[in-house]
Amino acid sequence: SQQGEEDPQALSIQEGENATMNCSYKTSINNLQWYRQNSGRGLVHLILIRSNEREKHSGRLRVTLDTSKKSSSLLITASRAADTASYFCASYNFNKFYFGSGTKLNVKP
Amino acid sequence: GAVVSQHPSWVICKSGTSVKIECRSLDFQATTMFWYRQFPKQSLMLMATSNEGSKATYEQGVEKDKFLINHASLTLSTLTVTSAHPEDSSFYICSAGRGAGANVLTFGAGSRLTVL
Repeated sequence: SQQGEEDPQALSIQEGENATMNCSYKTSINNLQWYRQNSGRGLVHLILIRSNEREKHSGRLRVTLDTSKKSSSLLITASRAADTASYFCASYNFNKFYFGSGTKLNVKP
Repeated sequence: GAVVSQHPSWVICKSGTSVKIECRSLDFQATTMFWYRQFPKQSLMLMATSNEGSKATYEQGVEKDKFLINHASLTLSTLTVTSAHPEDSSFYICSAGRGAGANVLTFGAGSRLTVL
C-alpha cells in the first residue's frame, strides 16, 4: 500500500469477542483515522486520533497511537455480526490521506 | 450529515472509449476532493487530489493524460478515464474533506468500471 501495512490481513471471531487490528504508517502525521468498508461500497469514517493523543474511545471503539513506532491499533469490543467489514487506517498530513492495506474482519453469529 | 454522491455506481464500456465519473458533495462545499482506485481485496490507492479552480495534483505513477480530473465548482469533481483498456477496470472511489481543516473524509459509494 502507499502508506503501510495492517495486520492481521484477515480476522475471524465469534460474536461477543473483541477484535484488535494493527496499523503501521510510513510518514509523519497530523492525525490518524480509521475507516470501515462494507464489501463493494465506499468507506465510512469511524474515529480520528491526533498525533499528540495516545488513546481515544468512541462507543465500542478504542484507538491507540504510538508515534515513536509509527503504529496504531483499533480495538472493537463486544463484536457483533454487523461489524463484519474491512477496516482501514488512514494517515493524514499535508492535506493528503494514505490508506493502509486493511484488515478483513468476519464476526460469526 | 455530509453526503458525497458518486455516479455512475457501475459502468461497462468497450475498450478505447472514455468514461466520466462524477463526484458531488451534496450538502457542503469541498475545495478539495480525492480520487482513489481500489483493486479487488486490496487497499485504496490515492490517484490524485482535485483542487477547485486549479489543476489536480497526481500521485507518482498515475498518468494525468489517462485520468483527467476536473474540479470546476465547489461541489463537483469529475474523473474521466480516457481511451479505457481492460487494465483500467477497477473500483474508483471519490472523497471530499470535511470538518475543521477538512481533515475527515466523506466517501462516495464508488464506481465499478469494467472495460471489455
